[in-house]
Amino acid sequence: AQSVTQPDIHITVSEGASLELRCNYSYGATPYLFWYVQSPGQGLQLLLKYFSGDTLVQGIKGFEAEFKRSQSSFNLRKPSVHWSDAAEYFCAVGADYGGSQGNLIFGKGTKLSVKP
Amino acid sequence: EAGVAQSPRYKIIEKRQSVAFWCNPISGHATLYWYQQILGQGPKLLIQFQNNGVVDDSQLPKDRFSAERLKGVDSTLKIQPAKLEDSAVYLCASSLAGTGIYEQYFGPGTRLTVT
Repeated sequence: AQSVTQPDIHITVSEGASLELRCNYSYGATPYLFWYVQSPGQGLQLLLKYFSGDTLVQGIKGFEAEFKRSQSSFNLRKPSVHWSDAAEYFCAVGADYGGSQGNLIFGKGTKLSVKP
Repeated sequence: EAGVAQSPRYKIIEKRQSVAFWCNPISGHATLYWYQQILGQGPKLLIQFQNNGVVDDSQLPKDRFSAERLKGVDSTLKIQPAKLEDSAVYLCASSLAGTGIYEQYFGPGTRLTVT
């Protein structure tokens, strides 16, 4: 069965520092991979997605992620964190089984805190 | 472009009561999803509609949860009777059909507290 693991529950970084959030997935075929961000009291916003092609994908708000098939990973990065980036980040894999498409399987999320 | 609308935003009920949530997807989006997000966890799919037909409801607790999408637009999710473990945020999302199906747009959610 498909699954997503985000090993870090909570990460704190200083403003201006670089950021990397880890995501590992379990999926037999080539996965569709996503990163979403959720601010308090808000729904989820799509940051970026990987379907195929270039393994380094760019997203909104200066985020990027790299798909590494050999490591079953899709880590999210940002070179310089802003205070407004404080939120919860979810990695997800798009499941495709039994004729059902579109089902997203989410990790448990990583909460990002930013120190001034 | 208007986003996914949900109401109410917050609801507090006692166990064994019933509750209903409403969702209006982005105009033109054929696919609609209801997710349950328990505190400290990622969202979990409850049910997926394609137009007004159910595509996947394998994780919907059908003894107490029901959902419908009349006319292929708005949707309602109902819980009857509610249990304490139903306390969660209920998220509605929508997407285009075809290759856009995985690019889901989420509403702000309804936070349900069952006491």
